[in-house]
Parts: sequence; structure tokens; C-alpha cells
Amino acid sequence: AQKITQTQPGMFVQEKEAVTLDCTYDTSDPSYGLFWYKQPSSGEMIFLIYQGSYDQQNATEGRYSLNFQKARKSANLVISASQLGDSAMYFCAMREPNAGKSTFGDGTTLTVKP
Amino acid sequence: NAGVTQTPKFQVLKTGQSMTLQCAQDMNHEYMSWYRQDPGMGLRLIHYSVGAGITDQGEVPNGYNVSRSTTEDFPLRLLSAAPSQTSVYFCASTHTLSGIRGEQYFGPGTRLTVT
Repeated sequence: AQKITQTQPGMFVQEKEAVTLDCTYDTSDPSYGLFWYKQPSSGEMIFLIYQGSYDQQNATEGRYSLNFQKARKSANLVISASQLGDSAMYFCAMREPNAGKSTFGDGTTLTVKP
Repeated sequence: NAGVTQTPKFQVLKTGQSMTLQCAQDMNHEYMSWYRQDPGMGLRLIHYSVGAGITDQGEVPNGYNVSRSTTEDFPLRLLSAAPSQTSVYFCASTHTLSGIRGEQYFGPGTRLTVT
């Protein structure tokens, strides 16, 4: 069974600074996808970034990057130059092959301070 | 495209009542899933479907039924509502051809309260 662990219930960061949100995972599948989603206070789920288990390079999407360390089974999200609008809950998720379902972590609430 | 739509947005039920949460997508996605999100927690999978006529149980299926008669629709039925089912319910869909790369497209959620 797949498992996602996010050990930081809450994080604070100063505006314009970088922040790392931790995610570790466990799976026996050699092929898997790792995702990060953002959930603002309005409640919708917003896709941020994807990393495949066979991808050689770390994924980047604008100010978001994923620090993928396969041997350590970690997939940390790095947000550079934090903005007030980044304040939200962030979820790490894993998708198994041949299925449209994902396993989610419990999330990290990020608060950006002005 | 409307994406993934869910109705209703809010619902209050009394214990023992039944109801159906509607979910529809217009992206021709094969994969659809239902999750619940309890306060301060992540999403837990209730049921999922890999195509019309095919459904399977997720992590927390008890008290819920699903059916998938068309590609577009994936309703979730609460058989006899209990206070423990108070939660926010999300429907999501993914394109088959995306493989593991495809992110899930989420509906806006249904906030359900059972009294």
C-alpha cells in the first residue's frame, strides 16, 4: 500500500523568502507519480507540480520546484520568493500506475508573513 | 469546458436520510474518483472508477455507493447518513492516456453536514 507522510502541520515564512515543505512516501511500485496540490482557504484543489519516478531531473514550474530524492523516498516542495497569496494548505500526493486514484498526505498549512 | 462539476455545493442532512452527490466531467476522462476531506486532514479515497461500468472501493467506502453508467457521470450515494459523514466531498477525474503523469482535475467540492 502507498503512504504519504507530511511531518509539518504548519509552517511560517517571511514574504520573499524561500520555503521547503517536506514529503516522504512509501511504495513498492517502481513506477509512480508524485504531485503537489495547493488548497487555498476558498477550498479548491490546485495542481502545482508533478515528478515521475523515472524522471532524472527535478521538476520545476515557475516559483515551484520539487526536490526529488528517490533513494530517500522524499519529494519536497520548494517555493521560492514567497508571496502573500501562497498562504494555503499544501498536499503531497502519489499516484499509482493504471489507476486514477491518488494517496494524499495530511497536508502542511503555510502562512506567509508580510 | 466546464471541467469537473459537483452539485450541490452545500447540503444539510438529518441522521438516517439518504442522498446522492452528483459529479460530472466534460473532458472525456476515463478515471474518476471520490474523496472526502475532514477538517485539517488530507483527502481519503472513498470509491473510484477506471471506466464506465467499472467501480472499486477505496480506503473508506463504508456507507457509500457509486455507479458509473456513462463516462461523464459518477454519482456518490449516501445510504443512511451519519454524523461521521460530515465532511467536504471532492470528485476528481484524470485522462487515461496521461498515465502516471496526469494530474487529477478536482471539482469545487460539496460541504455536507449531518445532524
